[in-house]
Amino acid sequence: EPEVTQTPSHQVTQMGQEVILRCVPISNHLYFYWYRQILGQKVEFLVSFYNNEISEKSEIFDDQFSVERPDGSNFTLKIRSTKLEDSAMYFCASSPLMGRPYEQYFGPGTRLTVT
Amino acid sequence: DAKTTQPTSMDCAEGRAANLPCNHSTISGNEYVYWYRQIHSQGPQYIIHGLKNNETNEMASLIITEDRKSSTLILPHATLRDTAVYYCIVRVGGFGNEKLTFGTGTRLTIIP
Repeated sequence: EPEVTQTPSHQVTQMGQEVILRCVPISNHLYFYWYRQILGQKVEFLVSFYNNEISEKSEIFDDQFSVERPDGSNFTLKIRSTKLEDSAMYFCASSPLMGRPYEQYFGPGTRLTVT
Repeated sequence: DAKTTQPTSMDCAEGRAANLPCNHSTISGNEYVYWYRQIHSQGPQYIIHGLKNNETNEMASLIITEDRKSSTLILPHATLRDTAVYYCIVRVGGFGNEKLTFGTGTRLTIIP
């Protein structure tokens, strides 16, 4: 069964550094999302992306964050200058346009640790 | 999106049916009820969704009350691998581009 993949599984970075989290959505999916989950807290929506532009973003998704689909397969989340409070699990998700569009398929996550 | 209320935690014996309740008393007519689960910090996993009719798939059954103010997710024969946090989410429409708003969910523990 096709699945969403994310790399790296764990990223450690120093405060102020830029990080790029990578995701490969399921190949025929057209909607893409990033969520994050701070340890012990709820899963929070960050941003959705469709047709090469942001569809919706949350208050968390400020100017420090950006998303990109640089080619036909990858979907990336960039954090320009990381802060301690950016430490969290980051989940990528995708969903199709047709078929079963109500399902969002989540990747295994990237654990980001900012020191 | 309407808010949901779920018990914080539940236990269920292995092999028995696990019944997870959810209240969504302010649900609107065009909002669906979705269930996802998250196994130990893995990515959330879609289980089932419905509008007003009861639904069943290979994973679970969803029972929605006639007034749509509450629902119950049923895992018919719980196994240890069903230990997870279960989220009841209501959202507009049945299409892929709306965000999911997660609450705190119900932590279900399957007891051997």
